[in-house]
Amino acid sequence: DAGVTQSPTHLIKTRGQQVTLRCSPKSGHDTVSWYQQALGQGPQFIFQYYEEEERQRGNFPDRFSGHQFPNYSSELNVNALLLGDSALYLCASSPPQGPNTEAFFGQGTRLTVV
Amino acid sequence: AQTVTQSQPEMSVQEAETVTLSCTYDTSESDYYLFWYKQPPSRQMILVIRQEAYKQQNATENRFSVNFQKAAKSFSLKISDSQLGDAAMYFCAYTPGRGNQFYFGTGTSLTVIP
Repeated sequence: DAGVTQSPTHLIKTRGQQVTLRCSPKSGHDTVSWYQQALGQGPQFIFQYYEEEERQRGNFPDRFSGHQFPNYSSELNVNALLLGDSALYLCASSPPQGPNTEAFFGQGTRLTVV
Repeated sequence: AQTVTQSQPEMSVQEAETVTLSCTYDTSESDYYLFWYKQPPSRQMILVIRQEAYKQQNATENRFSVNFQKAAKSFSLKISDSQLGDAAMYFCAYTPGRGNQFYFGTGTSLTVIP
């Protein structure tokens, strides 16, 4: 089992550009959550996808959007990048009707905005 | 508001000794879960230990144990017989029983001295 896989591992973008990050959940998991972890901080919840719908959203602007595909994989899109969007973006997956307690995390995508 | 506070940005311990990391949280929920996650330089969040709020008995996983004080909303992690591989960032996290997101503290950087 490959666990939760994220791509790319590192990314450098210019301010104002758009970026797409990808996440494949652990086998058997159908729920995907995204977190932003700024340097020296704990992860902050962006949103969660279940059954291809955004189920819950944290305190992030509309520039942050997502998508979940029928195979449960997910994308995080960020438009009009700001320098402050530089962070580690973590994806977590959890099982069907499972509590958050069974969540597994990926290794993250390090996004640098210059 | 649901918050998690880790007041120790950095801690160090001699190899084979014991160290305790502190965490407090705030919630009005009665059903919730608490976690300690380890984040090594590889960046992946690895679950160390989990505690269900309804369980009075403190969770234990090999060399890792917690001191869960529900009334005080305190959740500390004790690492016994510290090993070099224990060096990492440690995050305390909370999730409501019916919630969809984790709330993380700001982390404690643990150094293990040979």
